[in-house]
Amino acid sequence: DGGITQSPKYLFRKEGQNVTLSCEQNLNHDAMYWYRQDPGQGLRLIYYSQIVNDFQKGDIAEGYSVSREKKESFPLTVTSAQKNPTAFYLCASSAAGGRYEQYFGPGTRLTVT
Amino acid sequence: QKEVEQNSGPLSVPEGAIASLNCTYSDRVSQSFFWYRQYSGKSPELIMSIYSNGDKEDGRFTAQLNKASQYVSLLIRDSQPSDSATYLCAAADDKIIFGKGTRLHILP
Repeated sequence: DGGITQSPKYLFRKEGQNVTLSCEQNLNHDAMYWYRQDPGQGLRLIYYSQIVNDFQKGDIAEGYSVSREKKESFPLTVTSAQKNPTAFYLCASSAAGGRYEQYFGPGTRLTVT
Repeated sequence: QKEVEQNSGPLSVPEGAIASLNCTYSDRVSQSFFWYRQYSGKSPELIMSIYSNGDKEDGRFTAQLNKASQYVSLLIRDSQPSDSATYLCAAADDKIIFGKGTRLHILP
């Protein structure tokens, strides 16, 4: 079965701790993306990567970091510098960047207290 | 600033009727257009892609694109309670821009 997996589904952390969200895809897609969605809000782009070992900041990259060491994997670290980390985090992939359709993973709901 | 605009709703439609969802986009060079469905608490699911002017039909869904008016719409025929969700419109050229979505409520 081809798809995108994110783990865990729910994540709870104390303020001041860094946390890493996992995203894996077996669609052989080149491009991968991280979005944040807050209640009643649209999708906001955090980081994206169009090729292994390369990634670009999105609209709200401050307080986040990523790596792309393998084509299949694009983990997101939410650092203690992120002021309001509680949100629904969505990973997506597409065949290539730009005008191609994106497919989303199931998401990780992060709660920081 | 490239934007995709949608009415936030909620749009209430009786079961069995046609639901019409609309979207406008600001970037004239956008080439690809998508509709996603997002159930509450779930991730967006791609339901339609459209790339050229006119209509594209897939089952009960029809996407309509008018590039001159920079307008995209999604029609859902024979609406079912299971169609109640938020529908996201997206436009893409060198990057994809998502609208904030329209909440659709199908009344049984």
